[in-house]
Amino acid sequence: SAVISQKPSRDICQRGTSLTIQCQVDSQVTMMFWYRQQPGQSLTLIATANQGSEATYESGFVIDKFPISRPNLTFSTLTVSNMSPEDSSIYLCSAAGESTAREETQYFGPGTRLLVL
Amino acid sequence: AQSVTQPDIHITVSEGASLELRCNYSYGATPYLFWYVQSPGQGLQLLLKYFSGDTLVQGIKGFEAEFKRSQSSFNLRKPSVHWSDAAEYFCAVGGGGSQGNLIFGKGTKLSVKP
Repeated sequence: SAVISQKPSRDICQRGTSLTIQCQVDSQVTMMFWYRQQPGQSLTLIATANQGSEATYESGFVIDKFPISRPNLTFSTLTVSNMSPEDSSIYLCSAAGESTAREETQYFGPGTRLLVL
Repeated sequence: AQSVTQPDIHITVSEGASLELRCNYSYGATPYLFWYVQSPGQGLQLLLKYFSGDTLVQGIKGFEAEFKRSQSSFNLRKPSVHWSDAAEYFCAVGGGGSQGNLIFGKGTKLSVKP
């Protein structure tokens, strides 16, 4: 299984600023995803991070607010832009293994806990 | 619409008692089903998964789950709960790792009484 790390693990930010979260996988993976977990809620997919091309965003999420990069098969970043208190959440990165097989499991990073004041 | 329902928001069981966490799903294609656990302040850890084959799947930490297609269910069970099992449990459905995102239930928080 892939081992995933995220930086920072937590942060407290002022409204109007931006934060970039890094996700590093210990092996090359085909798929990487970014999820948001709002307080007391379940996980919601923000976008699929595509290597070498623009991310694919889910309904309700836009690139201007959540720009994503994926320069290679082991690394991705998510930026939360122009933050407001409503952006306070846990942001989780996941990766889906080393092949394009459907029988691949998504493994999750430890999450980044963001508080916006 | 694709969805996952975990009807129990919070369950409390005594240590040593058996446990069953319910999960029902709605998915248009062949579902790939997962249970994840999230301990306080931690990320998600995979407990077990079902892709195909035997409908009773074994996972880590003594957990098992049974896929029942006729009931669109994938309930999680453990015969004897340990205090360290206290956590939040999420059921998820998807089309497979390379096929895109997972749809998560809202989670069931498990408390364990000594």
